[in-house]
This record gives sequence, structure tokens and C-alpha cells, in this order.
Amino acid sequence: KAGVTQTPRYLIKTRGQQVTLSCSPISGHRSVSWYQQTPGQGLQFLFEYFSETQRNKGNFPGRFSGRQFSNSRSEMNVSTLELGDSALYLCASSPLEAGFQETQYFGPGTRLLVL
Amino acid sequence: DQQVKQNSPSLSVQEGRISILNCDYTNSMFDYFLWYKKYPAEGPTFLISISSIKDKNEDGRFTVFLNKSAKHLSLHIVPSQPGDSAVYFCAASAKVYGNKLVFGAGTILRVKS
Repeated sequence: KAGVTQTPRYLIKTRGQQVTLSCSPISGHRSVSWYQQTPGQGLQFLFEYFSETQRNKGNFPGRFSGRQFSNSRSEMNVSTLELGDSALYLCASSPLEAGFQETQYFGPGTRLLVL
Repeated sequence: DQQVKQNSPSLSVQEGRISILNCDYTNSMFDYFLWYKKYPAEGPTFLISISSIKDKNEDGRFTVFLNKSAKHLSLHIVPSQPGDSAVYFCAASAKVYGNKLVFGAGTILRVKS
């Protein structure tokens, strides 16, 4: 099976702009989660989507949003970019067949640089 | 507050010897624990997991031990290989929090040949 794919892999934006990142989960996986990795804060949970619904949200401002499509693909959007949004954004998918807790498999990430 | 802690920022081990990476947690609601390996500019790769109903889980060279009373888990890699050199993250989740993973800060493992 193909792994989790994320596009684009690298992105450079300027402050005030907005950005949309895309994630395609492993085939058959229904849950998609997003994480942010920065040197100062480490890996932090942004949100999780399942069946096109946001099931869980981390402690991030409303500028961070996401959605999931009927084919389980997901996008996350960051509006009014700030310098501190520069990070590696990681998408992870899990099958969610057995319940709420399952292993999450990560994509390669999108490296966002805000200038 | 940091609910999952990896107190050793780095660890250096000789090839062929055992690597032991440690992780402590504070939230007693956590009931599922995972270890991931990460190379720079790549996503974390899943290694091994353990449910709170067990105290040990093995997969090849990797063994995870869980001590619930001490809120401590460890990852043993035997024998260590140069290709194991990477950053290792401990992560935890709780049924009440759904599928959200809480990560430790990571430990850099260097395996010397």
C-alpha cells in the first residue's frame, strides 16, 4: 500500500498570506490527524478528522483550520500567516477500525517557511 | 505542561550493544503508548506500541516495557545498528482524548560503528 502523501513538500510564504496543505491518507484509512513540529514546541496536535467531521482539536488559534473530503483526503489551511507558523506540518492517518485508539502513520510532511 | 517527557536529549551507543531510551508521563489517563523514529526532514516512522494492559511488547530487535505504577516506559533496541541513528519520539494517547497523540521532546540516538 502507498503511504501517506503530502503536498507540497516545501512552501515559502510571506506574513499575512494564507496557505493550504494537502494530505492523502493510506488507502482505507478513515482518520486523518495533523501535527505541527517546531524546534521550540516539538510535535503538537492540531486536529483530527474522521468521516468529514472534526473530532478533536488541539490548542491552536482559529487561523488554523482543516477539512476532510468524502474520499478521506484532508486539507489544512492557515490564514494570516505569522513568522511563528514556520514549521514542519505532518499529516497522519489511521484505519480506526477497532475504535478510537490506533497507530497513526505519518506522511513526509510539508515544510512551511514564513518570511 | 509537558505530559510526556524524554529527559535524555541524546544517547550514544556502540554498534552491537543495547540502546535504552526512556520516557516518563504524568497523565494517568494515558493508556496507549507508541515509539516513533524520525530522520530530519521526514515524517516519523512507527516502530512499536504498547497498550496499558500489557507490560511488555516485542517486535524483532525492538522491545517496549511499560511500568504503569512508575508512569515510565522504555524502548530497548538490541543489537543496535548504525542505521538506528535517528531521533526517537515517545507518544501517548488516552481513550478520552480520542486519537490525539501527545509527544515527548525526542532523544537523538547515535550508534557508532
